[in-house]
Amino acid sequence: DAKTTQPTSMDCAEGRAANLPCNHSTISGNEYAYWYRQIHSQGPQYIIHGLKNNETNEMASLIITEDRKSSTLILPHATLRDTAVYYCIVRGYGGSQGNLIFGKGTKLSVKP
Amino acid sequence: NAGVTQTPKFRVLKTGQSMTLLCAQDMNHEYMYWYRQDPGMGLRLIHYSVGEGTTAKGEVPDGYNVSRLKKQNFLLGLESAAPSQTSVYFCASSYGAGPGNTIYFGEGSWLTVV
Repeated sequence: DAKTTQPTSMDCAEGRAANLPCNHSTISGNEYAYWYRQIHSQGPQYIIHGLKNNETNEMASLIITEDRKSSTLILPHATLRDTAVYYCIVRGYGGSQGNLIFGKGTKLSVKP
Repeated sequence: NAGVTQTPKFRVLKTGQSMTLLCAQDMNHEYMYWYRQDPGMGLRLIHYSVGEGTTAKGEVPDGYNVSRLKKQNFLLGLESAAPSQTSVYFCASSYGAGPGNTIYFGEGSWLTVV
């Protein structure tokens, strides 16, 4: 799986949009960009994933650049409960099943 | 809306004792996984299963055994617990293979071996 680069930490004001960037410049054509988050002491929570097109669900939006080398996770109206570590992961067909490589992620702090 | 459920959530073991962690999923998923998470190490895959009656080794399988007798359950066993197995254990499941299938996680089981 390709590696990803994310900022170590970010702050966001409550009620504002949180935009979390991820660089995955070595992503290959059949690899997906996934986003998970982990709130302290809880299991990783799936947020969204995409291959080529932008995606939106009830939690967030995922914007993937045309060259697929980077993506941005958007939480449209951040709340205090969105404070967590956010992981951008690239998943392909290599490696054993279920092999998710979680990097350091971005620690998002949502402030009142 | 249970998803992936793990029991127990917390357990303290003495070195050499055995125990079993139970994972249950109600999403009719074929694939199930066990991970451990240690500080600064990220998630590491212990064992996984691609269907009822199957198991396979992941990245760190030593000291653990698993069984998948029913499609909805995946058991992780420690036959002789060691302090190095103190960790947070996460179970997960997915509908199918391949990167287009989302992996969903349970809330975790905290194990301390003294």
